[in-house]
Amino acid sequence: GIQVEQSPPDLILQEGANSTLRCNFSDSVNNLQWFHQNPWGQLINLFYIPSGTKQNGRLSATTVATERYSLLYISSSQTTDSGVYFCAVRSNDYKLSFGAGTTVTVRA
Amino acid sequence: DAGVTQSPTHLIKTRGQQVTLRCSPKSGHDTVSWYQQALGQGPQFIFQYYEEEERQRGNFPDRFSGHQFPNYSSELNVNALLLGDSALYLCASSPKRLAETQYFGPGTRLLVL
Repeated sequence: GIQVEQSPPDLILQEGANSTLRCNFSDSVNNLQWFHQNPWGQLINLFYIPSGTKQNGRLSATTVATERYSLLYISSSQTTDSGVYFCAVRSNDYKLSFGAGTTVTVRA
Repeated sequence: DAGVTQSPTHLIKTRGQQVTLRCSPKSGHDTVSWYQQALGQGPQFIFQYYEEEERQRGNFPDRFSGHQFPNYSSELNVNALLLGDSALYLCASSPKRLAETQYFGPGTRLLVL
């Protein structure tokens, strides 16, 4: 099956800092999503971005499908941005394959 | 408009027992997928239900089974529980099988002692 690797595994930020999270995948995909999992376990949809660039407030994402990677940018981080960020992809079937996640801790 | 709901929120069982978890999809959604998330890991796909049939299955043993009802709600059943089945079980719904996004419920935390 398709492999998804996320880096870095952990990220500690001071409030107001910017950061970049990376997702590499092993095969061509037709679906790529970024999620944020809050401390209570709820997965929240951030972006559907199989290619191109999107922005939503302080978050933006870019996927370069031909090079099999996606980046999630967090600008002016806030403590509420803390949690685990997951990249998930889908290729020729119906299941989402998730990476191991990046745990982000934003300190006040 | 209610999102995806799951019940119960928490559950404690002992080895060898059986458990049933429930999921109601978001209004207008007809496809339900189940995922298992062990501590410190990403969610792993268990199976997907559409039109009351299991349409795709991940790498999980037959102890894991499910059902989808005519109102699109779904159940996940796990028999002969093992300690390693302790995890967060997530349900996701979508308006069609190849929808762009899946919407996740809050999950059920299962602890097997």
